[in-house]
Amino acid sequence: EVQLLESGGGLVQPGGSLRLSCAVSGFTFSTYAMRWVRQAPGKGLEWVSSISTGGSATYYADSVKGRFTISRDNSKNTLFLQMDSLRAEDTAVYYCAKRGDNSAYSQDYWGQGTLVTVYS
Amino acid sequence: QSALTQPRSVSGSPGQSVTISCTGTSSDVGGYNYVSWYQQHPGKAPKLMIYDVSNRPSGVPDRFSGSKSGNTASLTISGLQAEDEADYYCCSYAGSSSYVFGTGTKVTVL
Repeated sequence: EVQLLESGGGLVQPGGSLRLSCAVSGFTFSTYAMRWVRQAPGKGLEWVSSISTGGSATYYADSVKGRFTISRDNSKNTLFLQMDSLRAEDTAVYYCAKRGDNSAYSQDYWGQGTLVTVYS
Repeated sequence: QSALTQPRSVSGSPGQSVTISCTGTSSDVGGYNYVSWYQQHPGKAPKLMIYDVSNRPSGVPDRFSGSKSGNTASLTISGLQAEDEADYYCCSYAGSSSYVFGTGTKVTVL
């Protein structure tokens, strides 16, 4: 059974940092690109970042570029999102998602999300 | 990247059909056949319902179908059921390994 479990969310002040983790099981992690998607309270979904299978290629939404860093540890089946210089508008539930089996341009499994709250 | 435009809400009675539109530009929806649709129940993670415009993953009922014309993609739910009441989001590849989601549509079963 495919499982993705995010952790690391919490309360942080503007300008602070957090590191999110996503532990996966049930599939060969090292052979799938992975993504982070966020959802602000009561709002829609927003793609945040993607990473290639080996981690050499990373991509970011303009809203987080230069502040967030995606990475992965294939030996530990874990995806990360380092979030620096956090802003109030980064407040959201952050989901990790697996690239689709049938299409590289979709996400077929998602974690339950971890809430990040940036407050002043 | 601006969010794709979806109607805020649609509704229908059990057994009826509803269609949700997802309008983008030639840089996203119109430029690629990589539109996916996600269902999200309150407090839950999104679930993939359609990929690559019109393909259903294993386990998704054939009541759900997708299509695209120009810069607008559509999701149709036929034979609406109570459990279909949820939020639905479209998502399109937007080039340069980026993605853009739609604004979301709340489906209400009357």
